[in-house]
Amino acid sequence: KQEVTQIPAALSVPEGENLVLNCSFTDSAIYNLQWFRQDPGKGLTSLLLIQSSQREQTSGRLNASLDKSSGRSTLYIAASQPGDSATYLCAVRLGGGGSNYKLTFGKGTLLTVNP
Amino acid sequence: EAGVAQSPRYKIIEKRQSVAFWCNPISGHATLYWYQQILGQGPKLLIQFQNNGVVDDSQLPKDRFSAERLKGVDSTLKIQPAKLEDSAVYLCASSLELAGVYEQYFGPGTRLTVT
Repeated sequence: KQEVTQIPAALSVPEGENLVLNCSFTDSAIYNLQWFRQDPGKGLTSLLLIQSSQREQTSGRLNASLDKSSGRSTLYIAASQPGDSATYLCAVRLGGGGSNYKLTFGKGTLLTVNP
Repeated sequence: EAGVAQSPRYKIIEKRQSVAFWCNPISGHATLYWYQQILGQGPKLLIQFQNNGVVDDSQLPKDRFSAERLKGVDSTLKIQPAKLEDSAVYLCASSLELAGVYEQYFGPGTRLTVT
């Protein structure tokens, strides 16, 4: 059974800092990994998706890396801003083909960026 | 492109009552998912549809939860009778395969409170 763990559970940083969020998963046979952002009372917004064959993806100030063999992913946020404050969720889809696209989520990291 | 639509956004009911949630996925997305997100947890998949058919409902409490997706478009999720532990946000998501990539897009969710 796939388990996803995110560390730290909460993080508070001053504006302008670079920061790293961590995600680990127990079954390395994944198809892809997604990072999501969730604002209070809102749904999930997809930030980055990394296929199992890829090592990293970048979008603006965000960079996500994937080390499938060690079961780890990191989300790097550069020059953090108060608007980055949200919960960040990591989710993995197992490989193996077929039509089951279920995502297994971690519990998330609550990020607060202080002005 | 319109996103995933859900209604209602909020619902408060008493235990043992019934409730239904509605989801309209992104146009053309064949796969639809219902997730349950309890406060402080990551979303957990309840059921996945591929067009009209159910792909995975292994974590759906079938004694009280039911879901259908008529004509392969809209979907409804019903709880009858509701229990206190059903208080959660119910998220609907949809996805479309593009070049082997299955990226899930989430709706805003329905926040259910059972008293």
